[in-house]
Amino acid sequence: DAGVIQSPRHEVTEMGQEVTLRCKPISGHNSLFWYRQTMMRGLELLIYFNNNVPIDDSGMPEDRFSAKMPNASFSTLKIQPSEPRDSAVYFCASSPAGPASDTQYFGPGTRLTVL
Amino acid sequence: QKEVEQNSGPLSVPEGAIASLNCTYSDRGSQSFFWYRQYSGKSPELIMFIYSNGDKEDGRFTAQLNKASQYVSLLIRDSQPSDSATYLCAVNLYGQNFVFGPGTRLSVLP
Repeated sequence: DAGVIQSPRHEVTEMGQEVTLRCKPISGHNSLFWYRQTMMRGLELLIYFNNNVPIDDSGMPEDRFSAKMPNASFSTLKIQPSEPRDSAVYFCASSPAGPASDTQYFGPGTRLTVL
Repeated sequence: QKEVEQNSGPLSVPEGAIASLNCTYSDRGSQSFFWYRQYSGKSPELIMFIYSNGDKEDGRFTAQLNKASQYVSLLIRDSQPSDSATYLCAVNLYGQNFVFGPGTRLSVLP
């Protein structure tokens, strides 16, 4: 299996621009998670989906952030407008249904730099 | 108070020694507990999970859970330089709402 796929791997943008991060979960997994990691705040859960439905978005920092999962094989995290404090590594993770639902598999991450 | 706390380290141990990593959590309702390893510039990788009080062993790794003390630890026996990484403790509070600790950086010296 290819694992969780994220794109782009690196993104450099200017303040005020729209940024879209993409994720393809492992085939057959029914939960998808978006995390943000910074030195100051560590790894934070932003939002997670179960069967394409957003379950908990309490970690989304503000209205500038939005996430969608239009189907089982694709999700996006959008930041509009972006700000320098959004600079971080954004990870997508997926997990299967059933007894192993606690087991998350992380993608390689997208390193976002907002100038 | 942070929900999941870890000593940030760095924790340095000589090759072949036992490395002991500790984690405390604040929510008594937490159900499941995880240890992830993260190499610099890479994504977290699951090493161990534990649900019940006591010890769980997997190769050189042992996870220990004490729910009464709200404490979970990871022991790495016969530490190798390749074990040098940041170790993240994670707690599942409810549903699939995972909270990660800040991580402990481990350095195994040859």
